[in-house]
Formats: sequence, structure tokens, C-alpha cells
Amino acid sequence: AQSVTQLDSQVPVFEEAPVELRCNYSSSVSVYLFWYVQYPNQGLQLLLKYLSGSTLVESINGFEAEFNKSQTSFHLRKPSVHISDTAEYFCAVVSGGSNYKLTFGKGTLLTVNP
Amino acid sequence: EAQVTQNPRYLITVTGKKLTVTCSQNMNHEYMSWYRQDPGLGLRQIYYSMNVEVTDKGDVPEGYKVSRKEKRNFPLILESPSPNQTSLYFCASSGTRGMGSYEQYFGPGTRLTVT
Repeated sequence: AQSVTQLDSQVPVFEEAPVELRCNYSSSVSVYLFWYVQYPNQGLQLLLKYLSGSTLVESINGFEAEFNKSQTSFHLRKPSVHISDTAEYFCAVVSGGSNYKLTFGKGTLLTVNP
Repeated sequence: EAQVTQNPRYLITVTGKKLTVTCSQNMNHEYMSWYRQDPGLGLRQIYYSMNVEVTDKGDVPEGYKVSRKEKRNFPLILESPSPNQTSLYFCASSGTRGMGSYEQYFGPGTRLTVT
């Protein structure tokens, strides 16, 4: 069975500081990894994904995540955050052979303070 | 525009009054799924469908029903809603061929309150 652990439920940071949101997964087979973002009172948006190829993936708004198979991690990073990055971030995994089931972590609320 | 739509977006109802939340996608996707989101619990899968007339339970199916009579539609039915079904509901869809099949597209969400 697949599972996802987001180690921090809340991460407060100051504007322009770097941030890392941690995500670990468990699965016995090949995995496909995603980060979704949910801005206040909005739906889910795909932020970035790892399907294959380069283990470092980037989003259009400066976030990046690295797939680390040996540590079963897919941490999300941004070198300098903005107030507008305040949102809840969900890590999710689909395992090969899981009937496309997307398993989510419990979410990390990123709050960027001025 | 490729999208997943849900209706209604907001619903307040009373215990026991049957309701249906509709979900429709225009991407010809085979796979569709319903999730509920609750604070501190993330998103949990309720039901999913691999194709027309093929549905199966997710992690939290109790109290819900679904049907898949057409490829584009996947309604969620609460035959006798209870207050513990107060939640934010998301519908999602994806293809089932190639690498793109692992990326799910989400609807805007339906906020349900059962009193």
C-alpha cells in the first residue's frame, strides 16, 4: 500500500526567506509524485510533478522538488518566498499498479509573513 | 477549455435529505474519482471509476453512492446525509494511457454543510 507523510502541518516564514516543505512516501513499486497547492478558499492546482526522467522538477513560480528514491522523499523548496505563496500544499503519490489511486499527505500550511 | 466542473459549489442541507453532486469532464478521460477534504486529514478518496459502468470503493465510501452511466459524468449521491458528511468535496479525472494517465485534473470543489 502507498502512503504519504508530510512532516510539518504548518510552516511560518518571513517574506524572501527560503522554505522547504518535506514529503516522504512509502511504496514498494514505481511511483509518480505530485505537489498540489490550494490557495485560500480555492480548489487544488497542480504545482509540479515527477513522472520520469530528471529527478529535479520545477514549477513556473519558482518552486522545485527533487525525487530521492533512496530516501523516499520528494521535498518542495523555494529559495525566496512571497506573501502570495501563502497556501496549503499537498504532496501526493500514485503507485504503478494502484489503479491510478492518488494518495495525499495531510497537507502543510505555508504562511508567509511580511 | 479542458476542465472538470462540479455543481453545486455550495450546498447547505438537513440530515436525511437526499442530494446529488454532479461532476462532468470534457477531456474524454476514462478515470474519475471523488475525494473529500477535511482539516488535518488531507484528501481521502471516496469512490473511483475506471470507465463507464465500472466503479469501486475508495478509502471512505460509507454513506455515499456513485454511478457512471456516461463517460463524462460521475455524480456523487448522498442518500441520507448526516452531519459527519459536512466537508469539501472534489471530483477529479485522468486518462489511463501513457505517462499522462497519472496526472489528475480537479474540479473547483463543492462545500457541503449538513445540519
